[in-house]
Amino acid sequence: GAVVSQHPSWVICKSGTSVKIECRSLDFQATTMFWYRQFPKQSLMLMATSNEGSKATYEQGVEKDKFLINHASLTLSTLTVTSAHPEDSSFYICSARVWGGDTDTQYFGPGTRLTVL
Amino acid sequence: GIQVEQSPPDLILQEGANSTLRCNFSDSVNNLQWFHQNPWGQLINLFYIPSGTKQNGRLSATTVATERYSLLYISSSQTTDSGVYFCGFRGGADGLTFGKGTHLIIQP
Repeated sequence: GAVVSQHPSWVICKSGTSVKIECRSLDFQATTMFWYRQFPKQSLMLMATSNEGSKATYEQGVEKDKFLINHASLTLSTLTVTSAHPEDSSFYICSARVWGGDTDTQYFGPGTRLTVL
Repeated sequence: GIQVEQSPPDLILQEGANSTLRCNFSDSVNNLQWFHQNPWGQLINLFYIPSGTKQNGRLSATTVATERYSLLYISSSQTTDSGVYFCGFRGGADGLTFGKGTHLIIQP
């Protein structure tokens, strides 16, 4: 259980275009999902918290108009990188929160590698 | 914010060796978890360990919340254990804050 998928697994785009990344919880409902970014040989950095049916909460320094997040259903959150530039090239990873009983953990998708030319 | 220090940053071992990875925190943390990021980038949940000790096969973890540290033990290492090990905790946001990771290489 607790499987999270992401699509696409990798994408190459031209500077100025927009890219949409999907994150799905396959076997459970996730009212809360998260988006992280990881640059090469660095740790994961939280970008935003995505709550089903409400606006996302962005971390300091993350441009909400550039990284559009939509969480329209209990199993799907999307991240759209608008007007992408080479500095947006990174590994984007989503996670879904699972809590209850004696656990409060997150399960991660396989990530999406974005390369902006 | 809370500072987290993972050690060692890099570790190279022969297959069959044992290892201990550590996370130190500057203050009390919530929802401490350990993850393994494999060479393809997938994060795999290892332990949810806010306190106490848990074991799962060759891996075990201990968190001493009062002393603000957590340990991950790997015994009888295999090449498939290679990758980056992260500790993560819930800081100010509901999302996780991660340490910088321990990059582990197991040589055959």
